[in-house]
Amino acid sequence: EVQLVETGGGLIQPGGSLRLSCAASGFTVSSNYMSWVRQAPGKGLEWVSVIYSGGSTYYADSVKGRFTISRDNSKNTLYLQMNSLRAEDTAVYYCAGDSSSSRLDYWGQGTLVTVSS
Amino acid sequence: QSALTQPRSVSGSPGQSVTISCTGTSSDVGGYNYVSWYQQHPGKAPKLMIYDVSKRPSGVPDRFSGSKSGNTASLTISGLQAEDEADYYCCSYAGSYTWVFGTGTKVTVL
Repeated sequence: EVQLVETGGGLIQPGGSLRLSCAASGFTVSSNYMSWVRQAPGKGLEWVSVIYSGGSTYYADSVKGRFTISRDNSKNTLYLQMNSLRAEDTAVYYCAGDSSSSRLDYWGQGTLVTVSS
Repeated sequence: QSALTQPRSVSGSPGQSVTISCTGTSSDVGGYNYVSWYQQHPGKAPKLMIYDVSKRPSGVPDRFSGSKSGNTASLTISGLQAEDEADYYCCSYAGSYTWVFGTGTKVTVL
């Protein structure tokens, strides 16, 4: 059974940094396409970033230059390093993955990031 | 990267059919056959229902179907059931290895 478990969320002041983790079991992070998707409270889903199986990374304009997606193959874990956080980054962050880049079949339960002073 | 446009809500009685539209542009929905649909119940993670416009993952009932015409994709739920009441989001490839979600539609079973 595939499990994706996000950790690392919390309350952070504007301008601060946070690193989210997504530990996978039953699923090999390095062999699949892994994404971060966020959802602001009471709002819709927003695609944030993807890392391809070959290692290429891509970002939404809203986070480009501030967020970095990466993975640790030895730990089978996906990361999202978030810098220069803003109030509008407040959201539940989900990690998701699939063997195809055109779909997201496996999702974690999400971790809440709150950016507030 | 503007969000795709979906109706805020749709409703139907049990057994009826409802269709949710997802309107984009020629740079996203109209330009690629990479539209997917996700169902999200309150407090839960999204669930993949349709991918590549009209393909169904294993385990998804055949009551759910997808299609596309021009810049608009659609999700149809036939034989509506109480457990189908949820939020639904479309998602499309938007070029340059980026993706865009729709604004979301709340489906209510009357």
